[in-house]
Amino acid sequence: EAGVTQFPSHSVIEKGQTVTLRCDPISGHDNLYWYRRVMGKEIKFLLHFVKESKQDESGMPNNRFLAERTGGTYSTLKVQPAELEDSGVYFCASSQGARIHEQYFGPGTRLTVT
Amino acid sequence: ILNVEQSPQSLHVQEGDSTNFTCSFPSSNFYALHWYRWETAKSPEALFVMTLNGDEKKKGRISATLNTKEGYSYLYIKGSQPEDSATYLCASPNRDDKIIFGKGTRLHILP
Repeated sequence: EAGVTQFPSHSVIEKGQTVTLRCDPISGHDNLYWYRRVMGKEIKFLLHFVKESKQDESGMPNNRFLAERTGGTYSTLKVQPAELEDSGVYFCASSQGARIHEQYFGPGTRLTVT
Repeated sequence: ILNVEQSPQSLHVQEGDSTNFTCSFPSSNFYALHWYRWETAKSPEALFVMTLNGDEKKKGRISATLNTKEGYSYLYIKGSQPEDSATYLCASPNRDDKIIFGKGTRLHILP
């Protein structure tokens, strides 16, 4: 069974541009999470989908970030316009249940904003 | 606010030596503690989930202990190998079931 996949693995964009990150969860997993790790800091929760609905988006830093999960399958996280402080590794995780020990992480997308 | 702290931030260990590092967390309202191993460009790999005070878990050369009363966990690596080089993350869920991560300990194994 394929794990959580993320695309792209690495993205370099200029300040002010737009970037869209994609996450494909494990098939059948209703719960999908986005996290971010800024260099030198801890991984932080961004938001949680249950199927196509946003269960919790309290970790989204500001309105430049937009996450979607149309159809309850893959999810996208768009950053528009990107700022320098958005650089970091964006992780996606999925789970069938809503308990964290059941979460499986993707390899992350490393975003560099120059 | 739940703070999970890890130390040291970075560690260089000679191949073959044993090592350990620490994760501390608030002991009140403790629910569980997770250790992950993360190599850059790969998925964080779950190592252990620990819930009970005094828990000790082992996976090959890696083991972990948990003290929920004083709020700390140790991760031990015996006989370090080059493939142990990675960032080791600990995390604990808060009341809202969100994972709170520490900043990680970056382990470098020197040949």
